[in-house]
Amino acid sequence: GAGVSQSPRYKVAKRGQDVALRCDPISGHVSLFWYQQALGQGPEFLTYFQNEAQLDKSGLPSDRFFAERPEGSVSTLKIQRTQQEDSAVYLCASSLLALAAYNEQFFGPGTRLTVL
Amino acid sequence: SQQGEEDPQALSIQEGENATMNCSYKTSINNLQWYRQNSGRGLVHLILIRSNEREKHSGRLRVTLDTSKKSSSLLITASRAADTASYFCATDGQTGANNLFFGTGTRLTVIP
Repeated sequence: GAGVSQSPRYKVAKRGQDVALRCDPISGHVSLFWYQQALGQGPEFLTYFQNEAQLDKSGLPSDRFFAERPEGSVSTLKIQRTQQEDSAVYLCASSLLALAAYNEQFFGPGTRLTVL
Repeated sequence: SQQGEEDPQALSIQEGENATMNCSYKTSINNLQWYRQNSGRGLVHLILIRSNEREKHSGRLRVTLDTSKKSSSLLITASRAADTASYFCATDGQTGANNLFFGTGTRLTVIP
């Protein structure tokens, strides 16, 4: 594909449900990032993968959040027992190389999660 | 918490005018990037300026960086209605970090 894709684009969940958000990065991109963006705010870092290795998960807000990238391409962000404060847009980004500081990140359109 | 803060939070100008947005950050950086986000869409990379650069141009965009003041500015010249979007600065924040720290953004509205 031409860019980063995410699915679903919109997800409504009842409080307590589990959700899974998918990211398809640009083919061949080494780095993959997940961000959480609250309404009216900038994206906040959640976790980072270099190929299949999750090198940084310091931004995950609780142990209800889990991410994986088992084959170094597609990634899934899973949120267990969703809470209302989890409502946000979840953005996935990929970059060709490692080291975010030196590389442009390509963002997907995001998944808007609403927890009722 | 977010590394940077943009100023102003919102800016409204007439088409053809120039728009200037400022970004301040807190810690030493390697580079600073600017991104644009149209409503309901993902972010699009605009420009990257390295910590040893003071100014960089790309088309109608001009970015400056003052590491002594920990600040950057983004100038859009001859604005167009299509420039209406939110603009974010992003920094790496610290040595070895693999993620970007985004500011709170400036919402730019260009009136046709």
